[in-house]
Amino acid sequence: GQQLNQSPQSMFIQEGEDVSMNCTSSSIFNTWLWYKQDPGEGPVLLIALYKAGELTSNGRLTAQFGITRKDSFLNISASIPSDVGIYFCAGRKGGGSNYKLTFGKGTLLTVNP
Amino acid sequence: EAGVAQSPRYKIIEKRQSVAFWCNPISGHATLYWYQQILGQGPKLLIQFQNNGVVDDSQLPKDRFSAERLKGVDSTLKIQPAKLEDSAVYLCASSPGTSRMNTEAFFGQGTRLTVV
Repeated sequence: GQQLNQSPQSMFIQEGEDVSMNCTSSSIFNTWLWYKQDPGEGPVLLIALYKAGELTSNGRLTAQFGITRKDSFLNISASIPSDVGIYFCAGRKGGGSNYKLTFGKGTLLTVNP
Repeated sequence: EAGVAQSPRYKIIEKRQSVAFWCNPISGHATLYWYQQILGQGPKLLIQFQNNGVVDDSQLPKDRFSAERLKGVDSTLKIQPAKLEDSAVYLCASSPGTSRMNTEAFFGQGTRLTVV
């Protein structure tokens, strides 16, 4: 099945640094979602994007829906140790929940205190 | 608001045995999903229900996997017989509506299945 290309696969940063990760696809998506998953837990929704060019923030997190509709970016500012986890992008091609939500393979973030 | 409930949290079975997982979505959520997450990968959709009807089961291995959502609320996913490659975390998720901006999926904690 279709997979989104998420990069980087992993990041190791110092506390206080900013982080950027992105997700690309060869197909157009109408919805982009960003999730965080802690060990032994299910993914938790961070940000949802519904319009091309949309820029949305949630605290220190900012995500953008690419103009081409084929990519999305997530930025984390001033990272802290609890930001550690796996970040997944997910995209939906059509409008409405009757279209499948496809996930990337994730970016593993490690923050060194 | 209570989240998505799943049980059991962990299950270890031998290959060729059967196993069933249960999910209770967030109250009022019309859409329910079952995902399979193999270690080191993102979740992969197995089946999606809209109320009690199947919307997408294109990636469900139907020779061994089955799922039902009889009353449009809770759901069960069954594997019979299990294979070693079925070892994974099985995640249930639900979303509130059908309109474009009401489709965020909320996940349960998952069931970690180990097939030995």
